[in-house]
Amino acid sequence: KQEVTQIPAALSVPEGENLVLNCSFTDSAIYNLQWFRQDPGKGLTSLLLIQSSQREQTSGRLNASLDKSSGRSTLYIAASQPGDSATYLCAVKDNAGNMLTFGGGTRLMVKP
Amino acid sequence: NAGVTQTPKFRVLKTGQSMTLLCAQDMNHEYMYWYRQDPGMGLRLIHYSVGEGTTAKGEVPDGYNVSRLKKQNFLLGLESAAPSQTSVYFCASSDYSGKYFGPGTRLTVT
Repeated sequence: KQEVTQIPAALSVPEGENLVLNCSFTDSAIYNLQWFRQDPGKGLTSLLLIQSSQREQTSGRLNASLDKSSGRSTLYIAASQPGDSATYLCAVKDNAGNMLTFGGGTRLMVKP
Repeated sequence: NAGVTQTPKFRVLKTGQSMTLLCAQDMNHEYMYWYRQDPGMGLRLIHYSVGEGTTAKGEVPDGYNVSRLKKQNFLLGLESAAPSQTSVYFCASSDYSGKYFGPGTRLTVT
């Protein structure tokens, strides 16, 4: 059974810092990995989707990498801003079907 | 496009009552999903559908039923609500570009 772990569970940084959020998964037979953002009381917004054949994806100040063999993905946020404060979730889709397994999330606070 | 919408946004039920949550998407996606989100547990898949007329169980299906009579709608039913079903429910639809989530429904069962 796929298990997805995100470290740290919470992170507080001053504005302007570059930061890395970590996601690890136990079964490397994945179809893709997706990073989401969730604001308090709101739904999930997709940030980046990495197919299993890809190594990374970039969107603006965000860069997500995937190392399937070691079961890890990182989300890099450059020059963090208070507006980046949210919970960040990674989710892995398996090869066998349509199951999307979520990590517990990292709650990020960027202080002005 | 409205994307994925959910109705209602909030609901309070008494134990034993029934209700249906409605999810609608206007992106012509084949796949649709229902998740629940509980504190400290991330999202867990309840049921999903790979196309009109089909449904399948996810990770935590007990106590819920679903129907996909139309491609754009995915209904989640609670026949006899229990306090353990107090949660935030998210619907999603997907295509090759990823999963798209609705804003959520906050359900409290007293």
